[in-house]
Amino acid sequence: EVRLEESGGGLEQPGRSLKLSCTASGFTFGDYAMSWVRQAPGKGPEWVGFIRSKLYGGTTEYAASVKGRFNISRDDSKSIAYLQMNSLKTEDTAVYYCARGATSWGYWGQGTLVIVSS
Amino acid sequence: DIQMTQSPSSLSASVGDRITITCRASQNITKYLNWYQQKPGKPPKLLIYGASSLRSGVPSRFSGGGSGTDFTLTITNLQPEDFETYFCQQSYSIPLPFGGGTKVEIK
Repeated sequence: EVRLEESGGGLEQPGRSLKLSCTASGFTFGDYAMSWVRQAPGKGPEWVGFIRSKLYGGTTEYAASVKGRFNISRDDSKSIAYLQMNSLKTEDTAVYYCARGATSWGYWGQGTLVIVSS
Repeated sequence: DIQMTQSPSSLSASVGDRITITCRASQNITKYLNWYQQKPGKPPKLLIYGASSLRSGVPSRFSGGGSGTDFTLTITNLQPEDFETYFCQQSYSIPLPFGGGTKVEIK
C-alpha cells in the first residue's frame, strides 16, 4: 500500500524558515518524481513544485510564487522528500501536501499545516 | 502560463441527476487534463487522467471528455457521496494550475 506522510508543519514568523518532510512507503521511492501541493484555507489547491527521480536527473521545478525561496530535495535511501521553505510570507499559510508523481497525482499524504504569522 | 477556468463554481443537484462540469484551458493542452474530487479536510482524489481515462477503483458513473482547450467531467446517477468539490488540473506544461473548483451541493 502506498503511503505518504508529511511532517514538520507549524507556526512560524514571516521571514523565517521551515522544513517539511514527506516519508514514503509501499513503493520504490527512487523510481518516482515527488511533488508538493499546497492549499490555503478556503482556496483551491496550488502546485508548489516537484523533484524528478535520479533517472531523470533529480532536477526540480517550482511555481513562480515560491521560486528562489523554496527548495525541494530528496533522500532516496530514506524514502523522504523535503520542502525547505525560506523567507516565509503570510501568504504561504496553507496545508502542504506531498504527492507521488510530477504532473498528476494519484497518491497524496494527509497534509501538514503551515501557519505564517507574527 | 496556461490558465484554467472552471464552471460553474457551484451547482445544486439531486440524487440520481446527471451533471456536467466544464473546464477551459487558455491554450491547447491536447489531452493533458486531470479531474480531482476533494472532501473537506482531505487531499484531492484523482478521478480522471488524460482527459478521459478513469482511474482504477473510481465508479463508472464518472466520465471525462474533451481535448484541446475544452473539457468536461460528467457524473451520471449522482450519489450522496458525490456531493463534494471538484477541480480540474492541466498537466501539459509547467506551471501546473488547478481550476477554481466546482462545489456540488444537494438541492
